[in-house]
Amino acid sequence: DAMVIQNPRYQVTQFGKPVTLSCSQTLNHNVMYWYQQKSSQAPKLLFHYYDKDFNNEADTPDNFQSRRPNTSFCFLDIRSPGLGDAAMYLCATSAPGTGTRNSYEQYFGPGTRLTVT
Amino acid sequence: RKEVEQDPGPFNVPEGATVAFNCTYSNSASQSFFWYRQDCRKEPKLLMSVYSSGNEDGRFTAQLNRASQYISLLIRDSKLSDSATYLCVVNSMDSSYKLIFGSGTRLLVRP
Repeated sequence: DAMVIQNPRYQVTQFGKPVTLSCSQTLNHNVMYWYQQKSSQAPKLLFHYYDKDFNNEADTPDNFQSRRPNTSFCFLDIRSPGLGDAAMYLCATSAPGTGTRNSYEQYFGPGTRLTVT
Repeated sequence: RKEVEQDPGPFNVPEGATVAFNCTYSNSASQSFFWYRQDCRKEPKLLMSVYSSGNEDGRFTAQLNRASQYISLLIRDSKLSDSATYLCVVNSMDSSYKLIFGSGTRLLVRP
C-alpha cells in the first residue's frame, strides 16, 4: 500500500544534542511537509518542499532545518533541541495541481514523538 | 482572530446520538476544506473533503457555507469508535496547497 513512513516513532534526545527525524513516502507526491504538534494544539507547519524548492514558515526557529535528497525522502534536523521542542513531529505529503478534485488533501505519517531530557 | 476556529469541546454524547460540529474560517478566498480525525497520540487522518454542494459519506455529512464562512460536520448514529478529535482544515491565505488546522473538537461517545 502507498504510504508515508516516519522513523523513529519515538526519539529521546538530550538537551542540546542534535537529532534527525526521517520521513519517506511511496505515494510519489511532489510536496512534503513537516509539522510540529504539541498536546491539545493544532499541527503547526514548520516548512515544506515543493519538489526541490524549500519553503520555510516565517515563525519557524532557525534551530529547525530540513533536507530533501530525493522525491521519496525528507529529513528534519533539530540542531540544538530545547525542552520546548518536545512534541509530535508529523510528516505529510500532497500532490497539488495534479488535476484531481482531491489533489490538495494531505496524507500524514504516524509521527515521531520527541522527548528532550 | 485565528484563521480557523473550533469549539474545543469535549462533546460527550451517548451511543446513537447525532452530534454536529461547526468551524469558522477567516479567509473568504479559501477554496479547499476538509475534516480530519485524530485519535489520541496518533496522526491526523482525512475523514472527508468538504464541497460547496455539501457531501455525505455514510453517517457523516459535511456542509460548507461560504457566505458565513463556516463548515459543519454532522455525525449520525454515533458509535463508540467515533470518539476522537475532529480537526477542521482550510487552505492557507498565502498558498492553495498549504493547510491551516483548527485546534480540534473532542468527541466522547459513551455506552
